[in-house]
Amino acid sequence: NAGVMQNPRHLVRRRGQEARLRCSPMKGHSHVYWYRQLPEEGLKFMVYLQKENIIDESGMPKERFSAEFPKEGPSILRIQQVVRGDSAAYFCASSPREDGTEAFFGQGTRLTVV
Amino acid sequence: AQSVTQLGSHVSVSEGALVLLRCNYSSSVPPYLFWYVQYPNQGLQLLLKYTTGATLVKGINGFEAEFKKSETSFHLTKPSAHMSDAAEYFCAVSDLWSGGSNYKLTFGKGTLLTVNP
Repeated sequence: NAGVMQNPRHLVRRRGQEARLRCSPMKGHSHVYWYRQLPEEGLKFMVYLQKENIIDESGMPKERFSAEFPKEGPSILRIQQVVRGDSAAYFCASSPREDGTEAFFGQGTRLTVV
Repeated sequence: AQSVTQLGSHVSVSEGALVLLRCNYSSSVPPYLFWYVQYPNQGLQLLLKYTTGATLVKGINGFEAEFKKSETSFHLTKPSAHMSDAAEYFCAVSDLWSGGSNYKLTFGKGTLLTVNP
């Protein structure tokens, strides 16, 4: 059973471009969480999704950020018109149930905006 | 809202010495508590967690942590440090969702552990 797979591992975007980050949860996991880690900070919760549903997006910036977890395929975190302040590591975690005590984290996508 | 404080952003120990990483949380309700380790350019790996039951929790790689409700603490210890323990360690607390599930983790800022030969 492969772990949580995130790609790409590293992503460089110019200001104003779009960034698409992908997360394939572990097999049998239907709950996905996205976290952002800014330099010298702990991880901050962004969004919690179940298949085809956004359950909690209280940590998502109101503009430019969106997330989805379709019936088929990976979860996508999309950042439109990136700015330098979006540079961070973005981690995805998945869980077999909504109780986050069983969440497994991926290796993250490190986004650099130049 | 929950908050997690990790005292000391950088801890340095000698190989073979005791490792003590401090974590305090703020919560009016006993939460679920976690310690994660992050090696350079890697994801987070769960070291141990406390949900219910015994307050002394043993994890991987010889680490353990004790939940002390009266002190709102969950300090991480290891009797003898190895070079391979050098990494960043994060303490985390779960939030209690209105629906009754704990899924949202609040993380501390992390403690970078250096192990000197």
